[in-house]
Amino acid sequence: GAVVSQHPSWVICKSGTSVKIECRSLDFQATTMFWYRQFPKQSLMLMATSNEGSKATYEQGVEKDKFLINHASLTLSTLTVTSAHPEDSSFYICSAIPGLASGQFFGPGTRLTVL
Amino acid sequence: AQSVTQLGSHVSVSEGALVLLRCNYSSSVPPYLFWYVQYPNQGLQLLLKYTSAATLVKGINGFEAEFKKSETSFHLTKPSAHMSDAAEYFCAVSYNTGFQKLVFGTGTRLLVSP
Repeated sequence: GAVVSQHPSWVICKSGTSVKIECRSLDFQATTMFWYRQFPKQSLMLMATSNEGSKATYEQGVEKDKFLINHASLTLSTLTVTSAHPEDSSFYICSAIPGLASGQFFGPGTRLTVL
Repeated sequence: AQSVTQLGSHVSVSEGALVLLRCNYSSSVPPYLFWYVQYPNQGLQLLLKYTSAATLVKGINGFEAEFKKSETSFHLTKPSAHMSDAAEYFCAVSYNTGFQKLVFGTGTRLLVSP
């Protein structure tokens, strides 16, 4: 149980275009999901907390208008990187919490490369 | 600020040897502590977590960790390394009961040689 999927697993786009990444909880409902960013050989940095039916809470330094997060249902959150630039190239990972005190379960990640 | 320190960005062991990955947290209030493993190009998998119950926590794949409040440590160990254990390991801390906000260490890459 507690499986989280991400789609796509790998995406290449041109500079200036927008890219949408999906995060789904497959066998549970998640009122809260999280989006992380990981640079090569570095740790995960929390970007934002996504709550179903409400606006996401962004961490300090994360541009809200650039990284649009939508949590439309209890099983789906999306991250849209708008007007992507090469410096946005990174590994994006989402996670979700099945219930209180269960801990976060992570998706397999999406590697974004902006040319 | 809450933080967690992982000593050693790389740890090398031989197959069959003891694995010891170090993690220290900075807080006077005992937090909730986690160890995650990440294989190349994959997400994180939870190995084990400490939630103020038993100080010695057993996880998956033969790993265990001991919470030592006096040392503010939560080191990860495994008696005998396997080649399949080669991966990146992250220690993380949370200070709320819903584990809503995780702060990760910088990670330790475990290398296992035959």
